[in-house]
Parts: sequence; C-alpha cells; structure tokens
Amino acid sequence: EAQVTQNPRYLITVTGKKLTVTCSQNMNHEYMSWYRQDPGLGLRQIYYSMNVEVTDKGDVPEGYKVSRKEKRNFPLILESPSPNQTSLYFCASSLSPLAGNEQYFGPGTRLTVT
Amino acid sequence: AQSVTQLDSQVPVFEEAPVELRCNYSSSVSVYLFWYVQYPNQGLQLLLKYLSGSTLVKGINGFEAEFNKSQTSFHLRKPSVHISDTAEYFCAVSDNSGGSNYKLTFGKGTLLTVNP
Repeated sequence: EAQVTQNPRYLITVTGKKLTVTCSQNMNHEYMSWYRQDPGLGLRQIYYSMNVEVTDKGDVPEGYKVSRKEKRNFPLILESPSPNQTSLYFCASSLSPLAGNEQYFGPGTRLTVT
Repeated sequence: AQSVTQLDSQVPVFEEAPVELRCNYSSSVSVYLFWYVQYPNQGLQLLLKYLSGSTLVKGINGFEAEFNKSQTSFHLRKPSVHISDTAEYFCAVSDNSGGSNYKLTFGKGTLLTVNP
C-alpha cells in the first residue's frame, strides 16, 4: 500500500531533550516536506526537500533540523525542544510538485513539550 | 510571494443542504490550486485540484470547485452534504511558473460541520 508513515504518533517530552520524528514514504517520491498545524493557523511549512541531499527552509524553520540521506526518509530533528514547538506535525511527499502532483500526507505526530 | 485566504473559519450546515467554502488567493505568477480535506484525527487527503484547462473541477465525494482568475478565487461547492462530510477543509496554492523550487501555501482552514 502506498503510504507515508510517521513515528511516533504521539510524544510527550520535556524542554531541551533532543528528539527525532521519523518520516518514510514507499512511493519513490522525490519531494518531501514537513508541516506543523496549529489551531487557527492552518499548516505552515517547516522544511522541504526536492531530492536526496537537497533541503531548504520553509516558513517556520527555527528550532528544527532535517536531513535527506535516502530518498524514502526525511526525519525531523528538534535539538532542544521548547513549549512553543508543541504542535501537530505532518510529513508529506510528492512525485513532482512542479508538475502539479498532489502531496500525500502522513497520519501526523502530536508533540507536547512541557 | 503567494497567500491564501479562506473567508470562513467555520461553516455549519444541515444535512442535504448545499454548501460553499470560499477561497481567495494572491500570487504574482500563475498557480496550481488545491483543496484538501482533513477528517477528525487523520492526515490530509486531496479533494481536487486545478492545474489548467476547464475552470470547473470535479473531485471526490461529490465536491467541485471553480477557478476564477479575474477574482483570484477557487471556491469549493457541494449541492447536498452528508454528516460524513464533517471535516476541516484547506485551500492551497503553489507556483506553476516553472521555477526550481516548490512551495505549497495553505489557508487557515474552514471547519465544515454538518448537522442532522
């Protein structure tokens, strides 16, 4: 089944404790992206990757890191989480967004930072 | 830079009534337009998209949208809604000018609540 998977689905952590949210897709998509969703703000892009070893900042990259060493994986790293990073995070992938292809979304990771 | 405005944050309707969810966008270049739906506790899935050609686009679950370039709008419609259409709907826009980078900009969402 074609899908985007994220782990963990739920995570409660404390301020300053490094964490990684994994994202993997099995559709051989070149493009991958991370978003955060907050009430009343919609989805905001954190980072995206047009291909392996190619990443770029989205609208809200502060406090986050990403890497794209393999085509299928695009982990999101929070080196020192803070309470304002409490949010719902979505990973997405697309075959070729420049051609208008849709993005496929993972199920989401709900992160709480205390 | 591009932006999306969803004019209504919440739309309550009764079952079998028609509904329109409004979306306006701003962009200095030509665009692709999308509507995504998010059911409770799920990720987003594509409802429909406009790339080019006919301005009336049909999507899944009986939804359709009309691209109006002069009014920079892409409103979503359904003639008769069901309880199961209760969800949050997001309008999104991307640049199709052929640049080397890609960015999908979302609106803030419209919560559609269908009441019996």
